[in-house]
Amino acid sequence: ETGVTQTPRHLVMGMTNKKSLKCEQHLGHNAMYWYKQSAKKPLELMFVYNFKEQTENNSVPSRFSPECPNSSHLFLHLHTLQPEDSALYLCASSQGTSGETQYFGPGTRLLVL
Amino acid sequence: GQNIDQPTEMTATEGAIVQINCTYQTSGFNGLFWYQQHAGEAPTFLSYNVLDGLEEKGRFSSFLSRSKGYSYLLLKELQMKDSASYLCAVRDKADSWGKLQFGAGTQVVVTP
Repeated sequence: ETGVTQTPRHLVMGMTNKKSLKCEQHLGHNAMYWYKQSAKKPLELMFVYNFKEQTENNSVPSRFSPECPNSSHLFLHLHTLQPEDSALYLCASSQGTSGETQYFGPGTRLLVL
Repeated sequence: GQNIDQPTEMTATEGAIVQINCTYQTSGFNGLFWYQQHAGEAPTFLSYNVLDGLEEKGRFSSFLSRSKGYSYLLLKELQMKDSASYLCAVRDKADSWGKLQFGAGTQVVVTP
């Protein structure tokens, strides 16, 4: 309905696992974002891509590795995560990066054991 | 850095009005957004203010005062489905890549 889809919706992984989150937008936008949402905390911007180029890395640990093969797809590769990385990971897209409205996907609820 | 403050929780009765305040301290300003987020769902865009004044959209209105660093979201004729978290987000003009700073959200509980 929002035009931004994310898979999987729920993920449980051990600290030694490797997994990937996928985001796809069907809105014809050029910019895509990854956010982390922890309970009772503000959304934290992680990465920004504009026309497939990474334009922002908000001091995110290297155990999170983004990939943007084209303007419609965005991945977040996860490896050797910590329990404190458990959170809701939200993807968003916007037409550009000049203040346009961002549209969010439903998120992936991640639990790291 | 930026500081975005909004109340943690508000409770109101169905049919009533609730006003959610948001104050911000930023080095620059290039717009304020309000989003609604139901539990387990995506945040959905509600409103955008960049100039001072009131923007009305059906039962929802948003107000901005740039000189006071203040905004509010007004929800009228509350319905049970309005129970959700409401997120205030500010774009600092100093940020060149559409970066939004979010508040922690206000959980609105609508009771019968």
